[in-house]
This record gives sequence, structure tokens and C-alpha cells, in this order.
Amino acid sequence: GAGVSQSPSNKVTEKGKDVELRCDPISGHTALYWYRQSLGQGLEFLIYFQGNSAPDKSGLPSDRFSAERTGGSVSTLTIQRTQQEDSAVYLCASRMKGQDPWGYTFGSGTRLTVV
Amino acid sequence: KQEVTQIPAALSVPEGENLVLNCSFTDSAIYNLQWFRQDPGKGLTSLLLIQSSQREQTSGRLNASLDKSSGRSTLYIAASQPGDSATYLCAVKEYGNKLVFGAGTILRVKS
Repeated sequence: GAGVSQSPSNKVTEKGKDVELRCDPISGHTALYWYRQSLGQGLEFLIYFQGNSAPDKSGLPSDRFSAERTGGSVSTLTIQRTQQEDSAVYLCASRMKGQDPWGYTFGSGTRLTVV
Repeated sequence: KQEVTQIPAALSVPEGENLVLNCSFTDSAIYNLQWFRQDPGKGLTSLLLIQSSQREQTSGRLNASLDKSSGRSTLYIAASQPGDSATYLCAVKEYGNKLVFGAGTILRVKS
């Protein structure tokens, strides 16, 4: 597609439930990032995928968070046993490796609300 | 740990006014600094990127400066328009895989 697509755009879930957030990057983009934006705070890095290399998971806040990227394309961020503090907008970005950094293209995000 | 601060948190100005948004960072060992724009319900759009060796970049009515040694950057918007209303985010790229973002400045330009 023309841009980075994220689904769902909004998700309301009950505390303790698991959720899956999906990101479809731009075709051919080898790098994919997940960020979290909490109310009144800056974007927080979660995880980075580059091609077939091992992902950089250094930003994942707890072991309830995991992400995978299948076939070097679509990525899924999974949050297990959701807590209220997980409520935030989850943004995905992709770029072509080696491309000027402002080649980042961000999706519109998934707004997650844990009640 | 790198921390990025943006001042002010919110700004409301009349149309036509020139304005300055401020960004500061605690660790000067950065690769580059970027300014982004975020519209409600949408993703981020990159506005300007300044490499660590550069002092400023310009694009149309936007001018961004970087003083790496003092850990500061400013985004100057000339002759503001209602269409400039958005949240402006500053982010530094360290030598690694991630951008470190500030919390943003919410700008409202009144017509």
C-alpha cells in the first residue's frame, strides 16, 4: 500500500485480556519500529525489526509485551494480561534501511484503552 | 539516559505571527535531530532533519537550528497559518536503532 497501515484503529479491552495490534509496513521497507505514546508524554520506543536480524527488544516494558514480524513484512504486537497503564496510542513506523532518516513513515496508530 | 524536553507544552497565537518552539536534550552524543508534526488521529510527518554536524535546516516557512554542545534546538515558524495547528515533536537519534522523543508542543493558530 501507499502508507503504513495499522489495525484496529481503536481497541477497548478489559483488564487482564490479551490484545494483538497489527502493522502493515510499506512494501519493501526492511526496518519496522513500534512506539507507544501515552497521554502527555513523548513517544516511547518499544521494538525494532531489521530484515532477518534479531530484533532490538530493549524498549519492551515488561514480559507481557512481545512482537513478531512474519516474512519480513507484517508485524503483530501482543500485550498479554493487559493493565490500565497499557492504555496508550501504539504507533508503527517503517523505512528502507540506509534511507535518509526522514524516510520514516508512521502509521496512524492504534488507540488502546484498558478498562 | 537521554531525555528530551519541549517548551512550551502548548501555544496559541494569532494568524501571521512568527513563533519559536524549543527542544532540549540531556546527552549531546546524538546522530541527528528531527522535528515532526502530528495531526489528531494521524501519524507523524517529518518536517526537518539536522545532522549532528549541521547548525540549521530550512524548509519553506520552517527553520530549525541545532546547538549540539548546549543540547538545544529551536523550530522557527514564520507567518503562521491556521493550517500549522498541530502537535510538534522533537526527536533525537542516538547511535543505535531508536529515536528519543519529547512530549511535544501543541500549537494552535487562530484565524
